[in-house]
Amino acid sequence: KQEVTQIPAALSVPEGENLVLNCSFTDSAIYNLQWFRQDPGKGLTSLLLIQSSQREQTSGRLNASLDKSSGRSTLYIAASQPGDSATYLCAVIKDSNYQLIWGAGTKLIIKP
Amino acid sequence: NAGVTQTPKFQVLKTGQSMTLQCAQDMNHNSMYWYRQDPGMGLRLIYYSASEGTTDKGEVPNGYNVSRLNKREFSLRLESAAPSQTSVYFCASREQGITYEQYFGPGTRLTVT
Repeated sequence: KQEVTQIPAALSVPEGENLVLNCSFTDSAIYNLQWFRQDPGKGLTSLLLIQSSQREQTSGRLNASLDKSSGRSTLYIAASQPGDSATYLCAVIKDSNYQLIWGAGTKLIIKP
Repeated sequence: NAGVTQTPKFQVLKTGQSMTLQCAQDMNHNSMYWYRQDPGMGLRLIYYSASEGTTDKGEVPNGYNVSRLNKREFSLRLESAAPSQTSVYFCASREQGITYEQYFGPGTRLTVT
C-alpha cells in the first residue's frame, strides 16, 4: 500500500532564508507527484506537478525534485517571504485511475 | 471561468440527518473526485467518477453515496450523518492528457453534532 510521509510536520524560519520541504513515498511505481499549497480555511492550490519521467520542475522561486528510486521528492523555496506561510502538501498519483495519495503536510511559518 | 465550485461552504448537522454536497466544474473535465480532510491527516479519497455515468469507491466510502448527474456535476450524499463524518470535504476534477493535474474546489466544512 502506497504511503506518503512529510517531515517535518511544522517548520518556522526567518524571512529571506532558503528552505527545503521533504516528501517520501513507499512505492516507487508512481505516475506523477504533485505539490500543493493550502492556506487556512481555504482550498488547495497546485504549485508544481512532476511527471514520473522528469527529475524536477521549476516555477518562480519554487523548485521541486523527484527521485523515484529512493522514493523522495523535495520542494525548494528560495528567498522565503511571509506570504509563503501556508501548509504544503505533496501527493502521488498511484495508478491509471489517477487517484491521489496524500501526505499530511508541512505547516510553514515565515517570520518577518 | 469559475473552475470547481462547491456548495455549501459550511454546514452543521445533527446525528442522523442527511444532506447532499454539491460540486460543479466548468472545465469540461471527464474525471471528478470527492475527498475528505481531517486534522493532521492527508486528504483521503471517498469516491471518484472517471467519466459521466460511472462512479467508483475510494479509500473511505462507507457512509457516503455519490451521483454523477452529468459531465459538470458530481454530488456527495450523507444519508445518516455521524460525528465521525465531521470533516472538510473537497471536490476535484482532472484535466485530460499526460499531466493528470487535479483542480480543487474551495471545500465544505461539515460539523456533525
